[in-house]
Amino acid sequence: AQKVTQAQTEISVVEKEDVTLDCVYETRDTTYYLFWYKQPPSGELVFLIRRNSFDEQNEISGRYSWNFQKSTSSFNFTITASQVVDSAVYFCALTKHTGTASKLTFGTGTRLQVTL
Amino acid sequence: EAGVAQSPRYKIIEKRQSVAFWCNPISGHATLYWYQQILGQGPKLLIQFQNNGVVDDSQLPKDRFSAERLKGVDSTLKIQPAKLEDSAVYLCASSYKTSGMYNEQFFGPGTRLTVL
Repeated sequence: AQKVTQAQTEISVVEKEDVTLDCVYETRDTTYYLFWYKQPPSGELVFLIRRNSFDEQNEISGRYSWNFQKSTSSFNFTITASQVVDSAVYFCALTKHTGTASKLTFGTGTRLQVTL
Repeated sequence: EAGVAQSPRYKIIEKRQSVAFWCNPISGHATLYWYQQILGQGPKLLIQFQNNGVVDDSQLPKDRFSAERLKGVDSTLKIQPAKLEDSAVYLCASSYKTSGMYNEQFFGPGTRLTVL
């Protein structure tokens, strides 16, 4: 069975602060994919990143960066110099690497509130 | 390219009533998913279609929920009769290929159901 844990229910920061969202996962699969999605108040899930379990390189995209550590089963997400527009619920998700479409297992989400 | 369309966006019903949701996936996407997202939780897969066949409906409460995708394009999800605990956002997602490398799921805006 797969499980994703996002222990931080809600985080509040002041604009321009850096913030890290934690994600810990459990899976018996040797190959899998990890994801981060953003859910703004409008409700639509917005894809941010996909990481293959083969690739442990960290990734940076603008103000966003991701730290994947297989040894600790973690896939953390850092926003540098946060902005009010970053306010949303962020979900970490996991799926097995089967070569075919398969369901996503989501964590419970972390609500990020960025204030001026 | 048009995204995943869902309707209605909001629905309020009383318990024991019936309700139906509609989803139109991205053109050419073979796989369609219905997720249920209860407030404060991550989305949970209800049913997955590949073309017009069911791939996974293990978490669908079949005594009250039904779904179909007759022509392998649009899909409807029905609840009959609704219970208070069905209050949630129902998200539809679609993905392109049926095999090969993982194919990203694109999500619609969701239908927010309130059962009174």
